[in-house]
Amino acid sequence: EADIYQTPRYLVIGTGKKITLECSQTMGHDKMYWYQQDPGMELHLIHYSYGVNSTEKGDLSSESTVSRIRTEHFPLTLESARPSHTSQYLCASSARAYNEQFFGPGTRLTVL
Amino acid sequence: SQQGEEDPQALSIQEGENATMNCSYKTSINNLQWYRQNSGRGLVHLILIRSNEREKHSGRLRVTLDTSKKSSSLLITASRAADTASYFCATDAGGYGGSQGNLIFGKGTKLSVKP
Repeated sequence: EADIYQTPRYLVIGTGKKITLECSQTMGHDKMYWYQQDPGMELHLIHYSYGVNSTEKGDLSSESTVSRIRTEHFPLTLESARPSHTSQYLCASSARAYNEQFFGPGTRLTVL
Repeated sequence: SQQGEEDPQALSIQEGENATMNCSYKTSINNLQWYRQNSGRGLVHLILIRSNEREKHSGRLRVTLDTSKKSSSLLITASRAADTASYFCATDAGGYGGSQGNLIFGKGTKLSVKP
């Protein structure tokens, strides 16, 4: 098992709520990523970071935002959740670009 | 646009049989990776093959890469029920400017190994 953690594992909330999905890794990796994955589908990169104070948008447009204040921590925030945000969110990290990525267990988000 | 695409989408075999999954991609790459995902979980890295390599082994896994055809295959020999999972190939966005080094995942092959 990789040393990358996500909380909560499951979250059911109502429309309009603000939520933060937590992701932490203890491997000292500089690069971190957030992916969105619908059941049985491919992963879509929504945010990534090269290191502290670096955040970039991924290939899939997302209304979420991220921050990287500490190397080990890469939280994702939705200011106002909507049913269209219902999905699984996967966090990953890697030592360098092109290297293998280590994934957390994911957060399954349901917005009612 | 999708870089990697797996084939078949689903595969059902008996325990002990071999499973072969294929991946095609569109642009030049630095490396190609295969990952496994058990239902409802995160992905686990299986193997990485560089663009200058043609074949790589890891335990019961064998990966080939044909850069002229822009394709790769993953062979799992002597499959077990525990191999039941989705398998994804991922290619780096080598030719995509600022996103170099990020991975682009295919839709995956869903493998079911029956005991």
